[in-house]
Amino acid sequence: GENVEQHPSTLSVQEGDSAVIKCTYSDSASNYFPWYKQELGKRPQLIIDIRSNVGEKKDQRIAVTLNKTAKHFSLHITETQPEDSAVYFCAATPGGDNAGNMLTFGGGTRLMVKP
Amino acid sequence: DTEVTQTPKHLVMGMTNKKSLKCEQHMGHRAMYWYKQKAKKPPELMFVYSYEKLSINESVPSRFSPECPNSSLLNLHLHALQPEDSALYLCASSQDGTSDTQYFGPGTRLTVL
Repeated sequence: GENVEQHPSTLSVQEGDSAVIKCTYSDSASNYFPWYKQELGKRPQLIIDIRSNVGEKKDQRIAVTLNKTAKHFSLHITETQPEDSAVYFCAATPGGDNAGNMLTFGGGTRLMVKP
Repeated sequence: DTEVTQTPKHLVMGMTNKKSLKCEQHMGHRAMYWYKQKAKKPPELMFVYSYEKLSINESVPSRFSPECPNSSLLNLHLHALQPEDSALYLCASSQDGTSDTQYFGPGTRLTVL
């Protein structure tokens, strides 16, 4: 099945700096890559996603890039703010029949933004 | 209504109890999911219902029994659980279950004594 690796597991940045989180996946047929933010005690919330027919997507301070050849995708957060502090999960859906809705998550990155 | 709701928020049960978790969405989504999340770990997929039919069961022990009474409701029946089953149980829904965005509920924090 699909395997998603995520790095780093923890990331500490100063407010205003950029943060980058990287993920690799194993199934070359995977076609959908969402990123979720989970604050302590809260539900995972989608912050951005990208599909395999697109190389980059941006939404204000957040951007995601996808390299299908290398099978990796990255989350970029610019001008970080203390409220960006949370655990971020990348995920991928493997290709194949009946597999389009099976999200496999990376291990998570704890982002801490210091004021 | 653009949210997935779950009840109860917290549940404490003994190993001989029978209890149920409930999930509801009114977004017209036709795919619903159960995930288990242990502390400091990512969510792990347990079950997927697509158009009210169980489409994926990720080798979950039979002490967990899912049920989808209609397209808006998803239940997880619990029986004879073990302490290691203590976790946050998350429900999610998506449009039709084909590589589409999943929206998560707030979860039920389950403690098995």
